[in-house]
Amino acid sequence: QSVLTQPPSASGTPGQRVTISCSGSSSNIGSKTVNWYQQLPGTAPKLLIYSNNQRPSGVPDRFSGSKSGTSASLAISGLRSEDEADYYCGAWDDSLSGVVFGGGTKLTVL
Amino acid sequence: EVRLVESGGGLVQPGGSLRLSCAVSGFSFSDHYVDWVRRAPGKGLEWVGRSRNRARSYSTDYAASVKGRFTISRDDSRNSLYLQMNSLKTEDSAMYYCARTDVSKLKDFDYWGQGTLVTVSS
Repeated sequence: QSVLTQPPSASGTPGQRVTISCSGSSSNIGSKTVNWYQQLPGTAPKLLIYSNNQRPSGVPDRFSGSKSGTSASLAISGLRSEDEADYYCGAWDDSLSGVVFGGGTKLTVL
Repeated sequence: EVRLVESGGGLVQPGGSLRLSCAVSGFSFSDHYVDWVRRAPGKGLEWVGRSRNRARSYSTDYAASVKGRFTISRDDSRNSLYLQMNSLKTEDSAMYYCARTDVSKLKDFDYWGQGTLVTVSS
């Protein structure tokens, strides 16, 4: 049982826009910044979004993040087949004194 | 170029020990936090522990699941981070990654290593 809650799966067709939610509490998302990671099959995770809504250099602007209260969302527009991957949200948790992740969302491009 | 390279994984029996290494290059090791994160087969990412930077006195934090069994240390002269794992359990089997945090920019885990596989089995 993960501290942050994500849907286990999401799907969309090429060109569509999909969103992935991440729900937490006041000790993590509610008071800390949220990061999103993409993990393609057989590879290491990659930072996709940091500080709630900032993209590292090299990440396409098709990826965007937002946060409101104790929840956050990742949006992917103009879906492509290469976006098929596992996506994780993460944040520091003051109560646990550690980083917490969501359980991950497997994105399928139909 | 920022690089993190893990090594030391392998097969170990339950109750045994293993020491993982993470060799870093391309950035000032003493100025950054470096964490260990793992992913067990069929499961999601799980944070293992953190080593903070020199400004934060190299303090460490651990996940409850490994506290008292795992120890993180670092050698700035070798640009290396270590994870000493004792009293290993089957549920510790996972790919272990080290990942850098750029605290000044609030970028958690902006660079990752390729991972090293740990299998705990009799």
